Amino acid sequence: DAKTTQPPSMDCAEGRAANLPCNHSTISGNEYVYWYRQIHSQGPQYIIHGLKNNETNEMASLIITEDRKSSTLILPHATLRDTAVYYCIVRARRNNAGNMLTFGGGTRLMVKP
Amino acid sequence: GAGVSQSPSNKVTEKGKDVELRCDPISGHTALYWYRQSLGQGLEFLIYFQGNSAPDKSGLPSDRFSAERTGGSVSTLTIQRTQQEDSAVYLCASSLDGGRDGYTFGSGTRLTVV
Repeated sequence: DAKTTQPPSMDCAEGRAANLPCNHSTISGNEYVYWYRQIHSQGPQYIIHGLKNNETNEMASLIITEDRKSSTLILPHATLRDTAVYYCIVRARRNNAGNMLTFGGGTRLMVKP
Repeated sequence: GAGVSQSPSNKVTEKGKDVELRCDPISGHTALYWYRQSLGQGLEFLIYFQGNSAPDKSGLPSDRFSAERTGGSVSTLTIQRTQQEDSAVYLCASSLDGGRDGYTFGSGTRLTVV
């Protein structure tokens, strides 16, 4: 699976949009971009994933560049409860074979009042 | 249940003792994963079960670690002769098929070896 690069930490003001970048310049055609987050003392939580089109769900939006070498996770109105480590993971969307996720260092997002 | 359940939530054991950690995946999820997370560190993959296939044990750090999944549902991670460096949070996750649409993680078992 392709490697990802994320800034180690970011701050965001409560109520503002949090934009978390991820570089994945070696991504291949069959690899999806997944985002998870881990709030302190909890297990990771799936947020969203996408291939090449922008995606939106109740938690966040995912913007993937046209060349797919980078993406941005957007939390439109960050709250204090969004303070967490956010992981960007690139992985082929396989069935059944070799499907463990590889977690990097992630971005520690601190939402401040 | 609605989520992945792990037990115990906390375990303190003496060095050299064996421990068993349990994971109840979401009903119907065919894939089950074990990870561990040492204090302040990232997640380290341990083992992966998918249906009736042979498990992927490539992440197990030593032969003191083993896991089984009975009946395609509940899984037990066993650590024999525990060492202090085994202290970590052990996380279990499950998914439909190969996790194409994301995993669901449990809250973990915090293991402390004293």
